[in-house]
Amino acid sequence: AQSVSQHNHHVILSEAASLELGCNYSYGGTVNLFWYVQYPGQHLQLLLKYFSGDPLVKGIKGFEAEFIKSKFSFNLRKPSVQWSDTAEYFCAVKAGGTSYGKLTFGQGTILTVHP
Amino acid sequence: GAGVSQSPSNKVTEKGKDVELRCDPISGHTALYWYRQSLGQGLEFLIYFQGNSAPDKSGLPSDRFSAERTGGSVSTLTIQRTQQEDSAVYLCAIQWSSYNEQFFGPGTRLTVL
Repeated sequence: AQSVSQHNHHVILSEAASLELGCNYSYGGTVNLFWYVQYPGQHLQLLLKYFSGDPLVKGIKGFEAEFIKSKFSFNLRKPSVQWSDTAEYFCAVKAGGTSYGKLTFGQGTILTVHP
Repeated sequence: GAGVSQSPSNKVTEKGKDVELRCDPISGHTALYWYRQSLGQGLEFLIYFQGNSAPDKSGLPSDRFSAERTGGSVSTLTIQRTQQEDSAVYLCAIQWSSYNEQFFGPGTRLTVL
């Protein structure tokens, strides 16, 4: 069974600082990888996803993530955060090879950005 | 959000009562998922449907939990004899065949007293 580990529970940054949130997964086969974001009081929204091809994927709002297969990692990055990025971020993995199937989520990282 | 409505938005119940949570998706999707989000356990998969059948219900925590889907659309998640540990936000998500991603609804916050 797959599992996902997010290294940081709570990250606090000032505006314009760079962000990197760690995500490691445990699964031996092909995977599809996702980052979701949950802004305060809102529902989960997809930030970006990786299925195949270029391991560097770009998502909405200036976020990007890099899939490093040898490290079983899918870290999320943003060069310069804004106050509006304050939210909880979830990494998720789905066993690849099929279109449908459950997502396994990490525990989430709360990001607080101070103006 | 993203074509999924859930009702009620909030539900407070007493321990031992049964509850029904509803997910009402827009038409055209091909799969429907239930997850729950709680402080202690994070986001956990419960069950998913393709059509009216459930290929994977491995996440249902006990036989007090059941779900059905009728007409390939609306789904209900039923929790019998609720316990305090059932308190969580129950999320419904849908997927279209052309998009290999899941779109989440706003959730139902269940509180068991």
